[in-house]
Amino acid sequence: GQNIDQPTEMTATEGAIVQINCTYQTSGFNGLFWYQQHAGEAPTFLSYNVLDGLEEKGRFSSFLSRSKGYSYLLLKELQMKDSASYLCAVRDANTGNQFYFGTGTSLTVIP
Amino acid sequence: ETGVTQTPRHLVMGMTNKKSLKCEQHLGHNAMYWYKQSAKKPLELMFVYSLEERVENNSVPSRFSPECPNSSHLFLHLHTLQPEDSALYLCASSPRDRATGELFFGEGSRLTVL
Repeated sequence: GQNIDQPTEMTATEGAIVQINCTYQTSGFNGLFWYQQHAGEAPTFLSYNVLDGLEEKGRFSSFLSRSKGYSYLLLKELQMKDSASYLCAVRDANTGNQFYFGTGTSLTVIP
Repeated sequence: ETGVTQTPRHLVMGMTNKKSLKCEQHLGHNAMYWYKQSAKKPLELMFVYSLEERVENNSVPSRFSPECPNSSHLFLHLHTLQPEDSALYLCASSPRDRATGELFFGEGSRLTVL
């Protein structure tokens, strides 16, 4: 099966940098995805990694190490609106490209 | 606005009721999904439809019955549910023939079973 682990909660200060880690175990890795979900809203796609390395998109970056089964999402210059749940998901080619999600990390940004 | 619309946004039903959740996507995607989101648990995949054919049914109880009449519409028919079925039900779509193929989610239908 797939095991997607990420911290349940994190707190960070406005203007700071925060790193949200995700570890996974899967036999048919075919991409790692990060989603942001504000309370009462739809999860929205943030980033996608399929090769090792760092992908940067403005204030958000995502890193992947396939050999370690490890990813992180880096949020820079935190803003209050970044308070949300961040979901890590892995796509598995051995199960028809099904997505497997972690429980999500609830990030609270404080002034 | 993600291009995936779900109705109703909130639903309260008794255990003997029959109701349906509706999902509509205007993105031209060819795969649609139902997920269940419960507090403190990972998103659980319930059903997948690709090109209007069901390709996954992850041991979901028969009191949940999906229907996909065309590539833009997806329904989840609910019958004799249990209180533990109370959750947020998320619909998603994706372009399965594209390398990234990320999921686009609707805002969900919050279901409460009394």
